[in-house]
Amino acid sequence: SQQGEEDPQALSIQEGENATMNCSYKTSINNLQWYRQNSGRGLVHLILIRSNEREKHSGRLRVTLDTSKKSSSLLITASRAADTASYFCATDASRGFQKLVFGTGTRLLVSP
Amino acid sequence: DGGITQSPKYLFRKEGQNVTLSCEQNLNHDAMYWYRQDPGQGLRLIYYSQIVNDFQKGDIAEGYSVSREKKESFPLTVTSAQKNPTAFYLCASKDRTNYGYTFGSGTRLTVV
Repeated sequence: SQQGEEDPQALSIQEGENATMNCSYKTSINNLQWYRQNSGRGLVHLILIRSNEREKHSGRLRVTLDTSKKSSSLLITASRAADTASYFCATDASRGFQKLVFGTGTRLLVSP
Repeated sequence: DGGITQSPKYLFRKEGQNVTLSCEQNLNHDAMYWYRQDPGQGLRLIYYSQIVNDFQKGDIAEGYSVSREKKESFPLTVTSAQKNPTAFYLCASKDRTNYGYTFGSGTRLTVV
């Protein structure tokens, strides 16, 4: 079952611009995480936001969470060509043992 | 270096064959997971294991089997009962204190 839906499916920007991608989910969650995947590779954990948090920052990443709307956004500021990748949100709605449910991802292309 | 290793990187299977994908971690993580990734569908959970000698079915376990005889190892067998096995398979692990997953680099399985 897919808990998260990312929007847009694909995003193309120029270096230096900001990239914003959104994630909507269906049920109450414990936390929401964002991951990055370079083509043909495994996923890399970027940032986690708990259900009682509204915003978190990590370097050029800013994540917001709106539990009333069941949505989250990931902002990458001052993007670089090296940010080109797919980005996935993942939600933990489990009671007890954690099992993440991943969304369908946003493909980001940053052109030099 | 600590990490999670998947092998082989590419695997070709004939119709009716069983194949086993390897996943080994030296991170001392208790929990391990197997996900399947198809284009445009994100990641879907196949099996997961909280501790040695214990594992549970995920959302799409039919046609797959696993074992967890050692903490470090969580192999996945794709059986002939899996009708559409061509996909990218990702193994992940997590320790008790951190919520983020560590992923391997994946195995691409193709039926020929």
